Amino acid sequence: DIVMTQSPDSLAVSLGERATINCKSSQSLLHSSNNKNYLAWYQQRPGQPPKLLIYWASSRESGVPDRFSGSGSGTDFTLTISSLQAEDVAVYFCHQYYNTQYTFGQGTKLEI
Amino acid sequence: QLHLQESGSGLVKPSQTLSLTCDVSGGSISSGDYSWGWIRQPPGKGLEWIGSMYHNGYAYYNPSLQSRVTVSIDRSKNQFSLKLTSVTAADTAVYYCARAAYRDPLTNWGQGTLVTVSS
Repeated sequence: DIVMTQSPDSLAVSLGERATINCKSSQSLLHSSNNKNYLAWYQQRPGQPPKLLIYWASSRESGVPDRFSGSGSGTDFTLTISSLQAEDVAVYFCHQYYNTQYTFGQGTKLEI
Repeated sequence: QLHLQESGSGLVKPSQTLSLTCDVSGGSISSGDYSWGWIRQPPGKGLEWIGSMYHNGYAYYNPSLQSRVTVSIDRSKNQFSLKLTSVTAADTAVYYCARAAYRDPLTNWGQGTLVTVSS
C-alpha cells in the first residue's frame, strides 16, 4: 500500500491569511509514462461528501476558486489556500490514485 | 449531470452481511472507461477506500477487507452494489459510492449513507 501522511492534523488560520497543508506519500506518485503526479486534494464540509479540488497535484477542478492551489511532485505535495474565507472551514484530504489500491491521507481539519 | 445515490439497510447485526446499492442517474454505467467504487468513513474519522470495479469487469479491493468484500455491477438496473460479510462494530461508518474515469481520481460521489453495526 502507498501510505499518505498529512501535516498538520489541524490548523487554525485567520480570515484572509494563507493556509498550507502538506501531504507526503510513501512512494513516488510521479508516473514516468506521462510525467504526471497521481495526487488529488478533497474538501469535506460537515455532513457532506468529499469534493474534488485539485487533481494531477496542481490542476484545479472546474468551479474551484483560484485561491486554492496545489503543488509538489514525487512524494511531497502541498495544498495552499491563499486567502482564507469562512466557507473554507472543512477537513482536507489528499488522495493517491497512482495504482488501483487507492489510499487517502488522514485529513487536516482547518478552522478559523 | 451524473448523480449517485446509496441505499440499503442502515442497521446491521454483528456477524451478518452489509448490503448497499448505488443507483446511477444522468449517465449509463455501461458507457465509457470508468471505475465504480465504495469508500467508507467511520464517524469522526478519515476516508477508507473499500473497492472498485472497472469497466473491463475487474474488481480491486482494499487488502485489509478483501476476504469480506464483493463489488458488483448490474448494468440492466444501472446500479452497482457492495456486500461486506461478517461485520463487526468496526464496520460502522458512512458509506459512499463514487465514480472515477480510468486513471483519474474519484470525481463523482454520492451523499453517503450511515450504516450502524449493532445488535
